[in-house]
Amino acid sequence: DGGITQSPKYLFRKEGQNVTLSCEQNLNHDAMYWYRQDPGQGLRLIYYSQIVNDFQKGDIAEGYSVSREKKESFPLTVTSAQKNPTAFYLCASRGQRAEENEKLFFGSGTQLSVL
Amino acid sequence: QQQVKQSPQSLIVQKGGISIINCAYENTAFDYFPWYQQFPGKGPALLIAIRPDVSEKKEGRFTISFNKSAKQFSLHIMDSQPGDSATYFCAALSGNTPLVFGKGTRLSVIA
Repeated sequence: DGGITQSPKYLFRKEGQNVTLSCEQNLNHDAMYWYRQDPGQGLRLIYYSQIVNDFQKGDIAEGYSVSREKKESFPLTVTSAQKNPTAFYLCASRGQRAEENEKLFFGSGTQLSVL
Repeated sequence: QQQVKQSPQSLIVQKGGISIINCAYENTAFDYFPWYQQFPGKGPALLIAIRPDVSEKKEGRFTISFNKSAKQFSLHIMDSQPGDSATYFCAALSGNTPLVFGKGTRLSVIA
């Protein structure tokens, strides 16, 4: 069953703590993305990676970090520098083949809340 | 700078009615315009998409209308059903750059 798996579904962060959200895909996609969703704000791009060992900042990268050591995995760390981390976080991927390189596949999301 | 503007923010439609959501874009380099549907607690999923070389695309009850000169496109949901209640996002794409999303429309279809 091909797809994108995000874990955990729910995550709680204490003040001053770093937390890491997992995103794994078995679609053999080169490009992966992290979006943050707040009510009424739509989907805002945090970071994206077009290829292993390379990534770029999106529109709201401050307070976040990522790594792309494997094609299948693109974890997102929410650092203590992110003062308002409560949001729904979505991971997505996109293929390179002509028939699929425009379609974005999303995971089921992680809801992060601050304790 | 918002590259894709979506309206309305929320919409209530009677069962069997037509739901219409509008989007406008600025960047003429965009060449692919998808709509995504998202149910609560889930990730968005591609619903329907159009390229600028056609003015309309229909898939079942869902239709995209595209006006290249006005740089606008819209989603029409015919015979709206309670199961269509969801958040809808328009988006635009140019080449290999990340998709640019509108802010979303929360649709409620009431019986």
